[in-house]
Amino acid sequence: EPEVTQTPSHQVTQMGQEVILRCVPISNHLYFYWYRQILGQKVEFLVSFYNNEISEKSEIFDDQFSVERPDGSNFTLKIRSTKLEDSAMYFCASSEASGGAARRETQYFGPGTRLLVL
Amino acid sequence: DAKTTQPTSMDCAEGRAANLPCNHSTISGNEYVYWYRQIHSQGPQYIIHGLKNNETNEMASLIITEDRKSSTLILPHATLRDTAVYYCIVRVARRGKLIFGQGTELSVKP
Repeated sequence: EPEVTQTPSHQVTQMGQEVILRCVPISNHLYFYWYRQILGQKVEFLVSFYNNEISEKSEIFDDQFSVERPDGSNFTLKIRSTKLEDSAMYFCASSEASGGAARRETQYFGPGTRLLVL
Repeated sequence: DAKTTQPTSMDCAEGRAANLPCNHSTISGNEYVYWYRQIHSQGPQYIIHGLKNNETNEMASLIITEDRKSSTLILPHATLRDTAVYYCIVRVARRGKLIFGQGTELSVKP
């Protein structure tokens, strides 16, 4: 069964450093998402991406964050200058569509990257 | 998107059916009910979704009341591996993001 994959599984970085989290969505999916979950808290939406553009972003997704689809398979989240409060699990998700049959809108999540900022 | 209310936690004996309720009394006609679960900080896993009719797949059944104000996720024969946080999410079609609440922490006990 196709899966969303994410690398690395764990990342430790120093405050102020740039990090890039990578995701390989399911191959025929066109809509991509990033979510994060701070330890002990809810899963929070960050950004959605379609057709090489951001479709929607949350208040969390400020100028320190950016997303990119550098090639036909990868989808990346970059944090330019990490802060202590960026420590969290980051989940990538993808869906076939965002409209039409609800089945095609179902989002499938990757296993996550645990980011620790020291 | 409509708000949902779920019990904070539930226990279930292994091999028994686990019935997880969700209240979504403000749901509107074009909103779907989705269920996901998260096993110990892994990525949320899609379980099932429905609009009006009851749905069943290989993982679970979803029972939606006729007025659509509440639903129940049924795991017919719970195993220890079903121990997880279960999220009931109501979402308008074509609305990209999922809004997660606190969910129900289900503990399946031997």
